Amino acid sequence: EIVMTQSPATLSVSPGERATLSCRASQSVASNLAWYQQKPGQAPRLLIFGASTRATGIPARFSGNGSGTEFTLTISSLLSEDFAVYYCQQYDNWPPLTFGGGTKVEIK
Amino acid sequence: QVQLVESGGGVVQPGRSLRLSCAASGFTFTNYGMNWVRQAPGKGLEWVAFIRFDGSNKYYADSVRGRFTISRDNSKNTLSLQMNSLRPEDTAVYYCVKDWGSGWCFFDYWGQGTLVTISS
Repeated sequence: EIVMTQSPATLSVSPGERATLSCRASQSVASNLAWYQQKPGQAPRLLIFGASTRATGIPARFSGNGSGTEFTLTISSLLSEDFAVYYCQQYDNWPPLTFGGGTKVEIK
Repeated sequence: QVQLVESGGGVVQPGRSLRLSCAASGFTFTNYGMNWVRQAPGKGLEWVAFIRFDGSNKYYADSVRGRFTISRDNSKNTLSLQMNSLRPEDTAVYYCVKDWGSGWCFFDYWGQGTLVTISS
């Protein structure tokens, strides 16, 4: 099973600042990595797939990078609606499909 | 637009069974793999089960294999999850999730979720 590790667990950021979230895989997943955003009481929403391709309707301030075992999600200038929990997920080697534990982006 | 509407959640005692359903609309259901993903209260996401577009392949998380069964009815655009021998640790919101397709199992549409509580 591929273990996905996200860091930090919580990220405190001021509106307008940049946020960089990390996701590490226990073995290479190539570029088969997705990122999701989840707000309280809502289902997750797909942000990024293929490590760097934005899903339909996702603003350009969200960008993904990386391959192999190290990945980042960057939010270039945080808006109030971006404060949420973010999860990475690998779909390279499965079953099982595995998620990281999440990073909560909170208002500083 | 794509809609996934789960039903069937509730409170059940440990050891009992429950069946979840998901009504899909707004896309060609027969073309896509479908999944169940769950989230325990205050916790992260856990993939539970996958079924291929034609029902020919099914995969499960170790935590549910042998107790849960995923199925689909392509004539009714419906996904189901039969859950037997339920345990307190199965308590979670269960999401019906559509995958991208073409063999790529990441998730582009999610239902709103249905809460399953296992408690005596």
